[in-house]
Amino acid sequence: QVQLQESGPGLVKPSQTLSLTCVVSGGSINRGGYYWSWIRQHPGKGLEWIGYIYYTGSIYYNPSLRSRVTISQDMSKNQFSLDLSSVTVADTAVYYCARSRTYYFDSSGFDFWGQGTLVSVSS
Amino acid sequence: QSAPTQPASVSGSPGQSVTISCTGTSSDVGNYNLVSWYQQHPGKAPKLIIYEGDKRPSGVSDRFAGSKSGSTASLTISGLQPEDEADYHCCSFVGNKIVVFGGGTKLTVL
Repeated sequence: QVQLQESGPGLVKPSQTLSLTCVVSGGSINRGGYYWSWIRQHPGKGLEWIGYIYYTGSIYYNPSLRSRVTISQDMSKNQFSLDLSSVTVADTAVYYCARSRTYYFDSSGFDFWGQGTLVSVSS
Repeated sequence: QSAPTQPASVSGSPGQSVTISCTGTSSDVGNYNLVSWYQQHPGKAPKLIIYEGDKRPSGVSDRFAGSKSGSTASLTISGLQPEDEADYHCCSFVGNKIVVFGGGTKLTVL
């Protein structure tokens, strides 16, 4: 059973960079067939896809966030990370990491999720 | 890419069936059979209940069924149970490796 666990600061100051890590257990991120993803949920709102990374290093971002987002992976630690720069209060949200299954290399559903971590942006 | 449209809320009584729609365009929902659905209880992470339009992951009740007609995907929950009360989110592949979530629907079991 694949498990994902997010970690990182719960409070970030405006204009700084939000950095989160997702540790994966029960499966290797260094294999094909899955995208390793970041998704967020603003308080009381719907879900927003941020981006994902494939084991080959290919990365795909939400166009609305692309200028501020960096996703990377560390195969040796079986983990992947999110950096979101120049944050504002509008970036306050619960951040989830998740695994996406694929259909011919296209995302077809997020089948395993972390528990989520609330990140607040405030001075 | 704009988000698929979901009703803000739906409701039904125990034992009844309810359907939640996810309306996109001919470029996204209508063009790919890659809509997924998620159930989310308060304070919990979303749970995948339908993928690739109509497939259920192992362990998901067959009371949940996905379908599509044109640019509208639908999730039907039959034999409604109290524990089905939750938020439901659709997600559609829209091309160029991008996915978009709908706004979510709150299901109330009366």
